[in-house]
Amino acid sequence: NAGVTQTPKFQVLKTGQSMTLQCAQDMNHNSMYWYRQDPGMGLRLIYYSASEGTTDKGEVPNGYNVSRLNKREFSLRLESAAPSQTSVYFCASPGLAIGEQYFGPGTRLTVT
Amino acid sequence: EDKVVQSPLSLVVHEGDTVTLNCSYEVTNFRSLLWYKQEKKAPTFLFMLTSSGIEKKSGRLSSILDKKELSSILNITATQTGDSAIYLCHSGGGADGLTFGKGTHLIIQP
Repeated sequence: NAGVTQTPKFQVLKTGQSMTLQCAQDMNHNSMYWYRQDPGMGLRLIYYSASEGTTDKGEVPNGYNVSRLNKREFSLRLESAAPSQTSVYFCASPGLAIGEQYFGPGTRLTVT
Repeated sequence: EDKVVQSPLSLVVHEGDTVTLNCSYEVTNFRSLLWYKQEKKAPTFLFMLTSSGIEKKSGRLSSILDKKELSSILNITATQTGDSAIYLCHSGGGADGLTFGKGTHLIIQP
């Protein structure tokens, strides 16, 4: 049982390039989330999906798009990467406790 | 706007000391407050506090929810170097229960 998996673990992009971060969960949860984490800023929600086929903007959605392909998978796309998007990205899905988030291992993205 | 504020943002203590980390929250439809520990990778769950479960303890760590003051504390006694981490507070309420504080970076010196 892998829980929440993310790929890739590391990525370096040049400004203007595009890429998709993949996330999958095997816990059969309806909700999935994408966060970014920057030093001194904590975790900030980019987008979330309450159920298959639905997505909603979070706190910092600009420059990102998401796709909830099916119940298992929730991808995050950067269409034209910018240095301000250098960050660590976490995908999450609900845990057992009310409000608990279970996190994937993270993707460290550097945009030069 | 939902808000979770943690203090201090960073803290350096010596091994064996006791530390108290603070978290205050202002969220609509509050359901729970959660504490996470983050070392090098993803955050891991520590405690969940709700209106019906305002105090939790696990070993040297304990946490209390003050519903009147809309705040919570995380206590760590007899600290060890392995307690060095970022401690995140997260409110399980609001629009979709998704508000995190900025975290407290705790460093335990030998």
